Amino acid sequence: DQQVKQNSPSLSVQEGRISILNCDYTNSMFDYFLWYKKYPAEGPTFLISISSIKDKNEDGRFTVFLNKSAKHLSLHIVPSQPGDSAVYFCAASDPGNQFYFGTGTSLTVIP
Amino acid sequence: NAGVTQTPKFQVLKTGQSMTLQCAQDMNHNSMYWYRQDPGMGLRLIYYSASEGTTDKGEVPNGYNVSRLNKREFSLRLESAAPSQTSVYFCASSEVTGRYNSPLHFGNGTRLTVT
Repeated sequence: DQQVKQNSPSLSVQEGRISILNCDYTNSMFDYFLWYKKYPAEGPTFLISISSIKDKNEDGRFTVFLNKSAKHLSLHIVPSQPGDSAVYFCAASDPGNQFYFGTGTSLTVIP
Repeated sequence: NAGVTQTPKFQVLKTGQSMTLQCAQDMNHNSMYWYRQDPGMGLRLIYYSASEGTTDKGEVPNGYNVSRLNKREFSLRLESAAPSQTSVYFCASSEVTGRYNSPLHFGNGTRLTVT
């Protein structure tokens, strides 16, 4: 049973618009959340993270929002660029420092 | 500045054959992990090693063994490969900073096909 879920396998967005990727989790012990970006034939690369004591973290064009009561987090990319086209994985960590990943969302940014 | 290096990049095995996937990191991280990625399943943890000399099972450990050879190296062994082990395998490392591990740093993966 998947503890971290990404219910949208794919998303297409026009260049310059906002991309919103969503993630839900079930384990209330998770207290550290991350987003990774993956290009074909490469390993995932870290994008942005947030701890459970915050509800928002920004890094340039990327913002992660955490809603602990809903067990939901989202990644906003503004403005979206063609180079952002990749698979995005949501991940969560528990106090045992194990990381659990979602199934990924494939983002396509259309020029 | 290599980061996490995995060898080999590709491998084809016949059912029942054995092999070891190698992983080395040069970031002086304490924790190392092995994941597999399958279509529609995301990344699933096979084994991890919180520090040199310790290993623990993850979500999908059956059919695998690991060795934390030293702080740099963490290998994954398939003793008798099965078609269900066809997958892309990723090694990762991280460091504990306070309560939280640093983000995982991944290698580029080993694509394994078992026929």
